[in-house]
Formats: sequence, C-alpha cells, structure tokens
Amino acid sequence: GIQVEQSPPDLILQEGANSTLRCNFSDSVNNLQWFHQNPWGQLINLFYIPSGTKQNGRLSATTVATERYSLLYISSSQTTDSGVYFCAVDYKLSFGAGTTVTVRA
Amino acid sequence: DTEVTQTPKHLVMGMTNKKSLKCEQHMGHRAMYWYKQKAKKPPELMFVYSYEKLSINESVPSRFSPECPNSSLLNLHLHALQPEDSALYLCASSQEQGYEQYFGPGTRLTVT
Repeated sequence: GIQVEQSPPDLILQEGANSTLRCNFSDSVNNLQWFHQNPWGQLINLFYIPSGTKQNGRLSATTVATERYSLLYISSSQTTDSGVYFCAVDYKLSFGAGTTVTVRA
Repeated sequence: DTEVTQTPKHLVMGMTNKKSLKCEQHMGHRAMYWYKQKAKKPPELMFVYSYEKLSINESVPSRFSPECPNSSLLNLHLHALQPEDSALYLCASSQEQGYEQYFGPGTRLTVT
C-alpha cells in the first residue's frame, strides 16, 4: 500500500505563531485529505486537496502531486487549533501517523 | 448537511456479549466505511461498502461482521471480542468510493 509520512510528529506553538505541517506519500494518488482530530476523537475535514492550493480562513493547503507531498499551513494559531492533524491518501484513506499540535496561550 | 451520526457514543461489553454499532448518513452518499483507531494511532480501514455491497474487507477477524441494510445505514455487529479490540470505531461516508470522506463522532468501545 501507499506509505504516508507526516512531519514533524509534534509541534508546540505560542498563540499567534505560524506553522507548516508536511505530508509525503510514496505513490501517485487521486485523493488526499487533511483532518483535524479534536480531543473527543472527532475527525474534522479541513481540505480535500489531491492537487493545487486551497485556503479556508487561517488555514491553507498545497499539494504538489508530481513531487508527492502536501503542506498544511496554520497562520495566527489559536489554542483551539490544538489537536492531531492527519493527512490521508488514496481511495482507502491510508493515514499518516499525524502531527500533534499544542498551542499555548 | 455533512453529518454522519453514530450510536452509541460509548459501549462497554464483555467478551461473551453480542452488540452492534450503528452509523447513519442522509447525504445521499453511496459509499460507507468502518475504521478502527487505537489510542495515539491513526485510523485504520476495516470495511468499505459501495452501493450497499461489501467492496473491501481489510482482513478483519470474523468476530466483526458489517451490514449495510440500506444506502443510509451501516451496522457493525460485534461478537466474542477480545480486550485488544477496545478502540474508537469510526464510520465515514462519501459520495462514491474514493471521493471526499466525512466522519462520524465515533463509538468508544471497551471490551472487559
């Protein structure tokens, strides 16, 4: 199956800081999603982005399919951004191990 | 509306019990999925239903039995589970298999 690697594994931010999360994948994909999992376990859809760039408020994402990576940008981070961010690819949604983000007030 | 609902939210069962998890969506999606997530790990795919037919079974033990009675409903029947089956069970749906997936809140299962 497709291998998905996310970096960094952990990220500690001060409120207001910007950050970039990376997702590398081992083969071409037709589907790539970014999720935020809150402390109660709910997976919240952030982006469906098999290629190109999208923005939603303080979040944006870019996928360069030909180079097999995707980036998630968080700007002006808030404490509510804390949680685990997952990248998942392919029609069977193979997940990366996640990046745990902690935003401190 | 992009809502997937799951019941119950929490379930505690003994190893000899039989229980079922329920998942429902009213978005007209034709693909539905079951995932299992252990603590501090990513979700792992268990089953995929497409147009109410089992499309993918990721070599899941037979003590887990999925059922798709109609296009809006997905069940997961549990029987003779082991303590290591304790996990968060997530349901998802998508317009078609391979399209953007939307997840329910999950059922936290504890097997004693």
